[in-house]
Amino acid sequence: DAGVIQSPRHEVTEMGQEVTLRCKPISGHDYLFWYRQTMMRGLELLIYFNNNVPIDDSGMPEDRFSAKMPNASFSTLKIQPSEPRDSAVYFCASSFGTGGYTFGSGTRLTVV
Amino acid sequence: KNQVEQSPQSLIILEGKNCTLQCNYTVSPFSNLRWYKQDTGRGPVSLTIMTFSENTKSNGRYTATLDADTKQSSLHITASQLSDSASYICVVSARDRRGNEKLTFGTGTRLTIIP
Repeated sequence: DAGVIQSPRHEVTEMGQEVTLRCKPISGHDYLFWYRQTMMRGLELLIYFNNNVPIDDSGMPEDRFSAKMPNASFSTLKIQPSEPRDSAVYFCASSFGTGGYTFGSGTRLTVV
Repeated sequence: KNQVEQSPQSLIILEGKNCTLQCNYTVSPFSNLRWYKQDTGRGPVSLTIMTFSENTKSNGRYTATLDADTKQSSLHITASQLSDSASYICVVSARDRRGNEKLTFGTGTRLTIIP
């Protein structure tokens, strides 16, 4: 298995632009998580899905952030419009049940 | 408020030496505690996961302990290697009333092994 696949690995965009991060979870996993990691705040859970349904989005910072999971093999995290304070590494993780999570390699987002 | 505190923030040790990382938490109701290793530029990788009834678990040179009474955990690394240089993150899980799991992350300990 190729693990959790995220794209792009790096994204540099101008303030105000729309950014879309993509994630392909491990086949058969029924949970998918989106995290954000910064030096100041560490890892923060943004949202997670169970069987493609959003369960807890209380970590989503504001309305500029949205996440979708149209099917079991794909999820997106969109920021519209992006701001410099959104600069961070965004991780996607998946799991079967609530056992061990497998993280992707992350997308490093820089908003200038 | 659920919190996970890790110490030290950073640690530098010589290759071959042992070290212990600490994690204190105030998470309720407790479900499990996990230790992750995160190499620079990579996603976290699970080392151990312990439930309430487990007080020690090993994964190679890594041994995690859990004291659910004092709400403390430690990660002991034996005979450190250069490849152990990474951030180590303690994550504590609680279950809400609907049975959904909520994770609280520590900010990690940055470990550097020097030759």
